Amino acid sequence: DAKTTQPPSMDCAEGRAANLPCNHSTISGNEYVYWYRQIHSQGPQYIIHGLKNNETNEMASLIITEDRKSSTLILPHATLRDTAVYYCIVRVGRSMDTGRRALTFGSGTRLQVQP
Amino acid sequence: NAGVMQNPRHLVRRRGQEARLRCSPVKGHSHVYWYRQLPEEGLKFMVYLQKENIIDESGMPKERFSAEFPKEGPSILRIQQVVRGDSAAYFCASSPDRGQNTEAFFGQGTRLTVV
Repeated sequence: DAKTTQPPSMDCAEGRAANLPCNHSTISGNEYVYWYRQIHSQGPQYIIHGLKNNETNEMASLIITEDRKSSTLILPHATLRDTAVYYCIVRVGRSMDTGRRALTFGSGTRLQVQP
Repeated sequence: NAGVMQNPRHLVRRRGQEARLRCSPVKGHSHVYWYRQLPEEGLKFMVYLQKENIIDESGMPKERFSAEFPKEGPSILRIQQVVRGDSAAYFCASSPDRGQNTEAFFGQGTRLTVV
């Protein structure tokens, strides 16, 4: 799976959009971009994932650049409860050879939402 | 996520005892993953199981650790002769068999303390 690079920490004001960047310059064509977060030592929580198109759900939006070498997770209106470590993970989809692969977590970005 | 259930939530063991951690995946999920998180560190993959089979145990220590996912019942992570360095949060995740690429859901973890 391709390596990802994220800033170690970010601050965001409550009510403003939080834009979390992720660099994955070695991503290959069959690798998906996943975002998870971990709130204060709880179990990681799935946020969103995508292959090449931008994706949006009730939690966030995922913007993937056209060359797929980087992406941005957007929390449109951050709240104090969004304070967490956010992980960007690149993983190949299921294949006949590899089966289903486990997620590999890096260091993530520690997002602090300020009141 | 209400689906993945781990128990116990907290476990205290003396050095040399055995620890058994249980994980009940989301109903219908046949893929289970175990991760370990040492204090102030990231999540490290340990083992990936698919009903009665170990698919990938590349992250599992060679000694004292074992995992199973029987046809009936929860997945078990077993640590024999625990040492202080085993103190950590252990998380389990599950994913379904269907689909090319689906997200994994995590439980709330078992916090093991070795005294």
